[in-house]
Amino acid sequence: GQQVMQIPQYQHVQEGEDFTTYCNSSTTLSNIQWYKQRPGGHPVFLIQLVKSGEVKKQKRLTFQFGEAKKNSSLHITATQTTDVGTYFCAGSGGAQKLVFGQGTRLTINP
Amino acid sequence: NAGVTQTPKFRILKIGQSMTLQCTQDMNHNYMYWYRQDPGMGLKLIYYSVGAGITDKGEVPNGYNVSRSTTEDFPLRLELAAPSQTSVYFCASSSKLPDSLGNEQFFGPGTRLTVL
Repeated sequence: GQQVMQIPQYQHVQEGEDFTTYCNSSTTLSNIQWYKQRPGGHPVFLIQLVKSGEVKKQKRLTFQFGEAKKNSSLHITATQTTDVGTYFCAGSGGAQKLVFGQGTRLTINP
Repeated sequence: NAGVTQTPKFRILKIGQSMTLQCTQDMNHNYMYWYRQDPGMGLKLIYYSVGAGITDKGEVPNGYNVSRSTTEDFPLRLELAAPSQTSVYFCASSSKLPDSLGNEQFFGPGTRLTVL
């Protein structure tokens, strides 16, 4: 079945440093979504990417969808303590369900 | 709108006991999902539903059952609880299929279940 791998599993940065998480799918995706889960909370939708090579920005967050629609990345510029949490990618390969990556847990030293 | 609500928030079960996790959404979404999240891990799909009366298995359905008698409610039933079912359970809903534009999933606050 479809698999979505995410790296790294953990990332610890100093406040102000950049952060990137990468997502790779075993199959071509129709779209990819990104979610953020704060410690003790539930996943919250951030964005959906649909087009090959698409790049979207939300303030300090930049999301990319690969040309082959099999990989994606989330980059945070100049991290702040409010960015702490686990970031998940989730891919849809045309089925009626999303497949989530394992997540990247971001911790920040203020 | 309350969005997606789940009850209970916490529960401790003994091995072999049964329970039902409740999930309700007030957004009139057709699509509903149950996920489990083990510590430090991602979300694994247990069951999902594309509308009232229609359910299907996800990645890890063994030991669970669901029903969808109304659009709003999607309860998850655990029969004969086992320690391996200790996890956080999230219910989610969406208005569109996962491969559609704008298919954001809305998650409930979760139920933390411990089986001893």
